[in-house]
Amino acid sequence: DQQVKQNSPSLRVQEGRISILNCDYTNSMFDYFLWYKKYPAEGPTFLISISSIKDKNEDGRFTVFLNKSAKHLSLHIVPSQPGDSAVYFCAASLWNTDKLIFGTGTRLQVFP
Amino acid sequence: NAGVTQTPKFQVLKTGQSMTLQCAQDMNHEYMSWYRQDPGMGLRLIHYSVGAGITDQGEVPNGYNVSRSTTEDFPLRLLSAAPSQTSVYFCASSGGFGSGRTDTQYFGPGTRLTVL
Repeated sequence: DQQVKQNSPSLRVQEGRISILNCDYTNSMFDYFLWYKKYPAEGPTFLISISSIKDKNEDGRFTVFLNKSAKHLSLHIVPSQPGDSAVYFCAASLWNTDKLIFGTGTRLQVFP
Repeated sequence: NAGVTQTPKFQVLKTGQSMTLQCAQDMNHEYMSWYRQDPGMGLRLIHYSVGAGITDQGEVPNGYNVSRSTTEDFPLRLLSAAPSQTSVYFCASSGGFGSGRTDTQYFGPGTRLTVL
């Protein structure tokens, strides 16, 4: 059973517009959430995270929103740039553990 | 500082062969883990280790063995390769989420394994 779900396998956004990537989870015990970005033939790299005690975390063009009641988080990229084209994974962990549960990923394509 | 390194980058095996995927990190991280990435399945945790001498199973451990004799190295062994183990394998390390949740996992570049 997939505990972390990314229901959109792909997303196309025009350069300069906002990209919104969504992630849903089922385990209410998750208390830390992360987004990773992956380019082809490379390992994933950390992008941004959020603790369950917060509902928003911002880092430059990237903002993550957490809605605990809906068990939903989203990543906003504003403005989107062609270099943002990659696969984005959301991940979640339980309190006081190091194990991450990943979603299936969303491929973002930013076109000119 | 090389970060997390993995060897080999590519490998082709025949069914039944054995091999070891190597992973090393030079960040003095306590936590290391192995994931496999398959189309439509995301990244799934195979085995992990919270320190030298300590290992545990993840979501998909069957067919894989690990050991952690040093802080730096965390090899993944396939004892008898099967076509279902065709995948891209990633090793990752972190200082550990016990350290105030300020750390994240750093991934290696991956090993692409094909089992015929």
